[in-house]
Amino acid sequence: DTGVSQNPRHKITKRGQNVTFRCDPISEHNRLYWYRQTLGQGPEFLTYFQNEAQLEKSRLLSDRFSAERPKGSFSTLEIQRTEQGDSAMYLCASSLVGGAFTDTQYFGPGTRLTVL
Amino acid sequence: SQQGEEDPQALSIQEGENATMNCSYKTSINNLQWYRQNSGRGLVHLILIRSNEREKHSGRLRVTLDTSKKSSSLLITASRAADTASYFCATAREKLTFGTGTRLTIIP
Repeated sequence: DTGVSQNPRHKITKRGQNVTFRCDPISEHNRLYWYRQTLGQGPEFLTYFQNEAQLEKSRLLSDRFSAERPKGSFSTLEIQRTEQGDSAMYLCASSLVGGAFTDTQYFGPGTRLTVL
Repeated sequence: SQQGEEDPQALSIQEGENATMNCSYKTSINNLQWYRQNSGRGLVHLILIRSNEREKHSGRLRVTLDTSKKSSSLLITASRAADTASYFCATAREKLTFGTGTRLTIIP
Protein backbone atom coordinates (compact mmCIF):
# COMPACT_ATOMS: atom_id res chain seq x y z
CA ASP A 1 0.00 0.00 0.00
CA THR A 2 1.70 3.19 -1.26
CA GLY A 3 -0.79 5.52 0.42
CA VAL A 4 -2.29 6.94 -2.79
CA SER A 5 -5.99 6.13 -3.04
CA GLN A 6 -8.34 6.40 -5.98
CA ASN A 7 -12.11 6.21 -6.20
CA PRO A 8 -13.99 4.57 -7.66
CA ARG A 9 -11.90 1.53 -8.57
CA HIS A 10 -14.20 0.64 -11.44
CA LYS A 11 -16.66 2.72 -13.43
CA ILE A 12 -18.95 1.54 -16.20
CA THR A 13 -20.79 4.25 -18.07
CA LYS A 14 -22.69 4.77 -21.27
CA ARG A 15 -21.29 6.79 -24.10
CA GLY A 16 -22.13 10.47 -23.70
CA GLN A 17 -22.27 10.44 -19.92
CA ASN A 18 -19.95 12.44 -17.67
CA VAL A 19 -17.70 10.73 -15.14
CA THR A 20 -15.52 12.04 -12.32
CA PHE A 21 -12.64 10.28 -10.61
CA ARG A 22 -10.98 11.22 -7.36
CA CYS A 23 -7.38 10.83 -6.22
CA ASP A 24 -6.09 11.30 -2.68
CA PRO A 25 -2.29 11.55 -2.70
CA ILE A 26 0.15 10.79 0.08
CA SER A 27 -0.58 13.59 2.53
CA GLU A 28 2.70 15.50 2.47
CA HIS A 29 3.24 15.21 -1.29
CA ASN A 30 3.13 18.46 -3.22
CA ARG A 31 2.93 17.00 -6.73
CA LEU A 32 0.07 15.01 -8.17
CA TYR A 33 0.00 13.38 -11.60
CA TRP A 34 -2.65 11.76 -13.78
CA TYR A 35 -1.82 9.06 -16.33
CA ARG A 36 -3.91 6.91 -18.63
CA GLN A 37 -3.12 3.33 -19.52
CA THR A 38 -4.73 1.23 -22.22
CA LEU A 39 -4.44 -2.52 -22.47
CA GLY A 40 -0.95 -3.73 -23.33
CA GLN A 41 0.59 -0.29 -23.21
CA GLY A 42 2.58 1.70 -20.69
CA PRO A 43 0.94 4.59 -18.88
CA GLU A 44 0.74 7.90 -20.74
CA PHE A 45 0.98 11.25 -19.01
CA LEU A 46 -2.12 13.43 -18.89
CA THR A 47 -1.43 16.30 -16.49
CA TYR A 48 0.22 17.25 -13.23
CA PHE A 49 -0.16 19.70 -10.37
CA GLN A 50 2.26 21.27 -7.98
CA ASN A 51 0.14 22.14 -4.99
CA GLU A 52 -3.01 23.61 -6.57
CA ALA A 53 -1.37 24.85 -9.77
CA GLN A 54 -1.80 22.77 -12.93
CA LEU A 55 1.66 23.02 -14.51
CA GLU A 56 1.42 20.85 -17.61
CA LYS A 57 -1.26 19.23 -19.74
CA SER A 58 -0.68 16.63 -22.41
CA ARG A 59 -2.20 16.98 -25.84
CA LEU A 60 -4.04 13.76 -24.89
CA LEU A 61 -6.12 15.89 -22.55
CA SER A 62 -8.84 17.04 -24.92
CA ASP A 63 -11.41 19.72 -24.14
CA ARG A 64 -13.64 17.02 -22.68
CA PHE A 65 -11.15 16.38 -19.89
CA SER A 66 -10.66 18.64 -16.91
CA ALA A 67 -8.62 18.16 -13.78
CA GLU A 68 -8.58 20.14 -10.58
CA ARG A 69 -6.72 20.16 -7.31
CA PRO A 70 -8.54 22.94 -5.52
CA LYS A 71 -6.81 22.94 -2.15
CA GLY A 72 -3.57 21.31 -3.13
CA SER A 73 -4.64 18.02 -1.59
CA PHE A 74 -7.01 15.67 -3.44
CA SER A 75 -7.61 15.95 -7.17
CA THR A 76 -10.51 15.18 -9.48
CA LEU A 77 -10.44 14.22 -13.13
CA GLU A 78 -13.67 14.73 -15.05
CA ILE A 79 -14.45 13.40 -18.50
CA GLN A 80 -17.45 14.95 -20.21
CA ARG A 81 -19.43 13.27 -22.98
CA THR A 82 -17.49 10.04 -22.68
CA GLU A 83 -16.52 8.11 -25.82
CA GLN A 84 -15.65 4.45 -26.19
CA GLY A 85 -12.04 5.47 -26.81
CA ASP A 86 -11.90 6.84 -23.27
CA SER A 87 -12.04 3.29 -21.91
CA ALA A 88 -8.77 2.82 -20.02
CA MET A 89 -7.18 2.63 -16.59
CA TYR A 90 -6.72 6.11 -15.11
CA LEU A 91 -3.78 6.22 -12.73
CA CYS A 92 -2.90 8.85 -10.19
CA ALA A 93 0.53 9.31 -8.66
CA SER A 94 2.07 11.68 -6.17
CA SER A 95 5.57 12.77 -5.28
CA LEU A 96 7.43 15.10 -2.98
CA VAL A 97 9.62 17.56 -4.82
CA GLY A 98 12.50 18.90 -2.81
CA GLY A 99 12.59 16.13 -0.22
CA ALA A 100 14.77 13.08 0.21
CA PHE A 101 12.70 11.11 -2.28
CA THR A 102 12.46 13.70 -5.00
CA ASP A 103 11.17 12.38 -8.30
CA THR A 104 9.93 9.02 -7.04
CA GLN A 105 6.27 8.85 -7.99
CA TYR A 106 3.97 6.62 -5.97
CA PHE A 107 0.96 5.29 -7.80
CA GLY A 108 -2.54 4.53 -6.69
CA PRO A 109 -4.46 1.39 -7.70
CA GLY A 110 -6.15 3.14 -10.62
CA THR A 111 -9.73 3.62 -11.78
CA ARG A 112 -10.77 1.34 -14.61
CA LEU A 113 -13.26 3.09 -16.89
CA THR A 114 -15.40 1.16 -19.34
CA VAL A 115 -17.52 3.16 -21.77
CA LEU A 116 -20.30 1.14 -23.38
CA SER B 1 3.69 9.00 -26.85
CA GLN B 2 5.95 6.32 -25.45
CA GLN B 3 9.52 7.40 -24.73
CA GLY B 4 11.16 4.13 -25.44
CA GLU B 5 10.89 0.43 -25.60
CA GLU B 6 11.58 -2.50 -23.36
CA ASP B 7 13.15 -5.60 -24.75
CA PRO B 8 12.03 -8.33 -24.78
CA GLN B 9 8.28 -7.71 -24.88
CA ALA B 10 7.73 -11.02 -23.11
CA LEU B 11 10.01 -13.32 -21.14
CA SER B 12 9.36 -16.71 -19.55
CA ILE B 13 11.94 -18.31 -17.27
CA GLN B 14 12.13 -21.03 -14.65
CA GLU B 15 11.93 -20.11 -11.01
CA GLY B 16 15.40 -19.50 -9.62
CA GLU B 17 16.86 -18.22 -12.89
CA ASN B 18 17.86 -14.63 -13.49
CA ALA B 19 15.75 -12.30 -15.63
CA THR B 20 17.17 -9.42 -17.61
CA MET B 21 15.10 -6.70 -19.23
CA ASN B 22 16.40 -3.85 -21.34
CA CYS B 23 15.06 -0.38 -21.92
CA SER B 24 15.99 2.16 -24.58
CA TYR B 25 14.94 5.77 -24.59
CA LYS B 26 15.22 8.78 -26.85
CA THR B 27 15.78 12.05 -25.01
CA SER B 28 17.92 13.37 -22.16
CA ILE B 29 16.76 12.47 -18.67
CA ASN B 30 17.10 13.45 -15.03
CA ASN B 31 16.64 9.91 -13.89
CA LEU B 32 15.22 6.59 -14.97
CA GLN B 33 12.82 4.52 -12.89
CA TRP B 34 11.63 0.94 -13.02
CA TYR B 35 8.13 -0.08 -12.02
CA ARG B 36 6.31 -3.38 -11.64
CA GLN B 37 2.65 -3.88 -12.41
CA ASN B 38 0.63 -6.95 -11.55
CA SER B 39 -2.25 -7.67 -13.89
CA GLY B 40 -4.92 -4.97 -13.73
CA ARG B 41 -3.34 -3.17 -10.80
CA GLY B 42 -1.38 0.01 -10.06
CA LEU B 43 2.34 0.40 -10.47
CA VAL B 44 4.84 -0.36 -7.75
CA HIS B 45 8.07 1.64 -7.73
CA LEU B 46 11.13 -0.61 -7.76
CA ILE B 47 14.22 1.52 -8.17
CA LEU B 48 15.40 4.93 -9.38
CA ILE B 49 18.76 5.60 -10.97
CA ARG B 50 19.94 9.13 -11.61
CA SER B 51 21.57 10.26 -14.81
CA ASN B 52 24.98 10.53 -13.14
CA GLU B 53 24.82 6.98 -11.77
CA ARG B 54 25.86 3.87 -13.69
CA GLU B 55 24.65 1.04 -11.48
CA LYS B 56 22.37 0.59 -8.53
CA HIS B 57 21.30 -2.36 -6.40
CA SER B 58 18.25 -3.04 -4.28
CA GLY B 59 17.82 -6.52 -2.86
CA ARG B 60 17.58 -8.93 -5.82
CA LEU B 61 17.41 -6.04 -8.29
CA ARG B 62 20.32 -4.58 -10.20
CA VAL B 63 19.86 -1.65 -12.56
CA THR B 64 22.41 -0.23 -14.96
CA LEU B 65 22.24 3.00 -16.92
CA ASP B 66 24.27 3.97 -19.98
CA THR B 67 23.38 7.53 -20.92
CA SER B 68 25.68 7.50 -23.95
CA LYS B 69 23.65 4.63 -25.42
CA LYS B 70 20.39 5.87 -23.90
CA SER B 71 19.73 2.46 -22.43
CA SER B 72 19.12 0.77 -19.09
CA SER B 73 18.80 -2.79 -17.91
CA LEU B 74 17.02 -4.40 -14.99
CA LEU B 75 18.32 -7.70 -13.63
CA ILE B 76 16.22 -9.74 -11.22
CA THR B 77 18.28 -12.50 -9.63
CA ALA B 78 16.98 -15.78 -8.23
CA SER B 79 13.50 -15.20 -9.63
CA ARG B 80 10.38 -16.23 -7.73
CA ALA B 81 6.84 -16.96 -8.86
CA ALA B 82 5.76 -13.70 -7.21
CA ASP B 83 7.96 -11.78 -9.66
CA THR B 84 5.49 -12.60 -12.44
CA ALA B 85 4.31 -9.17 -13.61
CA SER B 86 4.85 -6.51 -16.25
CA TYR B 87 7.91 -4.34 -15.81
CA PHE B 88 8.15 -0.79 -17.13
CA CYS B 89 11.00 1.64 -17.39
CA ALA B 90 10.13 5.31 -17.18
CA THR B 91 12.31 8.26 -17.93
CA ALA B 92 11.84 11.35 -15.83
CA ARG B 93 12.17 15.03 -16.31
CA GLU B 94 9.08 16.52 -14.66
CA LYS B 95 6.64 13.81 -15.74
CA LEU B 96 7.33 10.14 -16.30
CA THR B 97 7.44 8.79 -19.82
CA PHE B 98 6.95 5.05 -19.89
CA GLY B 99 8.09 2.36 -22.25
CA THR B 100 5.88 -0.40 -23.54
CA GLY B 101 6.79 -2.91 -20.86
CA THR B 102 8.17 -6.43 -20.54
CA ARG B 103 5.77 -9.13 -19.46
CA LEU B 104 7.73 -11.51 -17.21
CA THR B 105 6.40 -14.97 -16.38
CA ILE B 106 8.16 -17.12 -13.80
CA ILE B 107 7.45 -20.82 -14.22
CA PRO B 108 7.39 -22.69 -10.89
